[in-house]
Amino acid sequence: DGGITQSPKYLFRKEGQNVTLSCEQNLNHDAMYWYRQDPGQGLRLIYYSQIVNDFQKGDIAEGYSVSREKKESFPLTVTSAQKNPTAFYLCASSEGGTYSEKLFFGSGTQLSVL
Amino acid sequence: GNSVTQMEGPVTLSEEAFLTINCTYTATGYPSLFWYVQYPGEGLQLLLKATKADDKGSNKGFEATYRKETTSFHLEKGSVQVSDSAVYFCALTRRNTGKLIFGQGTTLQVKP
Repeated sequence: DGGITQSPKYLFRKEGQNVTLSCEQNLNHDAMYWYRQDPGQGLRLIYYSQIVNDFQKGDIAEGYSVSREKKESFPLTVTSAQKNPTAFYLCASSEGGTYSEKLFFGSGTQLSVL
Repeated sequence: GNSVTQMEGPVTLSEEAFLTINCTYTATGYPSLFWYVQYPGEGLQLLLKATKADDKGSNKGFEATYRKETTSFHLEKGSVQVSDSAVYFCALTRRNTGKLIFGQGTTLQVKP
């Protein structure tokens, strides 16, 4: 079945540590996104990518980095510069680039700080 | 700027009750409007959408009508089930980008 796979489901970060969240899709979608979900605040866009080797900052990119070396993969690194990383992180993709209105989401990664 | 506001949750209903979750928006131009649903421990799924004024989106017994005059896109269902318990997100597209702006989400709890 086609879909988006995020791993791990739960992740713990120590102070000063960088951690990487994985996102893989086999939908052959061009565009991929990372959202952060905090209780009572909905989803906020961190980074997005319209095509391989290209990505743009979203609304809350500070303290995060991404890469898009392959069409099917869009990993997110939460750096030590992100002072409040505890959140639920959702990866999504869409066909037809960022002008496509239907997003397909992964099942998320819960990141917590030790 | 563009934004979406949803009613505060949680909304707690008994099975077979009527559901309304209010959503209002602020946007320039003519955005498309969406409802996404998030079941416990999962990502979001598109529930329904409407792309122009007076359009009605519908799916799985849920409906929402794009009301430009009141800038609203309220979600309704005539008879909820326990399996409808989830978090519901209203969203719109940003003009010229297609990227979504989400409301804060409304938790629905349906009791048997």
